[in-house]
Amino acid sequence: LAKTTQPISMDSYEGQEVNITCSHNNIATNDYITWYQQFPSQGPRFIIQGYKTKVTNEVASLFIPADRKSSTLSLPRVSLSDTAVYYCLVASGYSSASKIIFGSGTRLSIRP
Amino acid sequence: EPEVTQTPSHQVTQMGQEVILRCVPISNHLYFYWYRQILGQKVEFLVSFYNNEISEKSEIFDDQFSVERPDGSNFTLKIRSTKLEDSAMYFCASSENRGGRAADTQYFGPGTRLTVL
Repeated sequence: LAKTTQPISMDSYEGQEVNITCSHNNIATNDYITWYQQFPSQGPRFIIQGYKTKVTNEVASLFIPADRKSSTLSLPRVSLSDTAVYYCLVASGYSSASKIIFGSGTRLSIRP
Repeated sequence: EPEVTQTPSHQVTQMGQEVILRCVPISNHLYFYWYRQILGQKVEFLVSFYNNEISEKSEIFDDQFSVERPDGSNFTLKIRSTKLEDSAMYFCASSENRGGRAADTQYFGPGTRLTVL
């Protein structure tokens, strides 16, 4: 399993773009990169998933360089409600479901 | 938008008692999961379930835990004899059947907060 490393915490202000980078040096060919968001006392919520280059949805963008050893979650124009813990997961497209490992995540705090 | 639901939202029990946590996964999903999160700690995988049997379980999921899909909609986690250290948030999740691969998007419920006294 590819281990992920991401900052423990980040602070930003409303209206700013926030970029959270995750390192996954040992990512395997079949691995996908997935980001989840978790608010206090709630279950994790899927944000975005990608394999390479760039993926964008209505919530965020995910940038993955050619070597795939890192990825960056980009949240455009954050608001107070984006304050949460963000988890970067690397999981195989072929292994069983139990191989999803949640790390400590990045605690993002948005200030007015 | 379809969502995973869980009941109860909060369960308080005495040590040694049995508890059953209930989940209703998204209706067209076929893979189900239980996770737990002790306060302030990481989300930990407990068990995955497919086709009416356990697909995989972690070392946390010992003999005091069991899962069941008693009917076409509910998915339950039973803890036979609760211990103080079982106090945690328990999350149910489900995913579409694409072989239960780790890369499948999992949809989590709001959780049940279990407090063991």
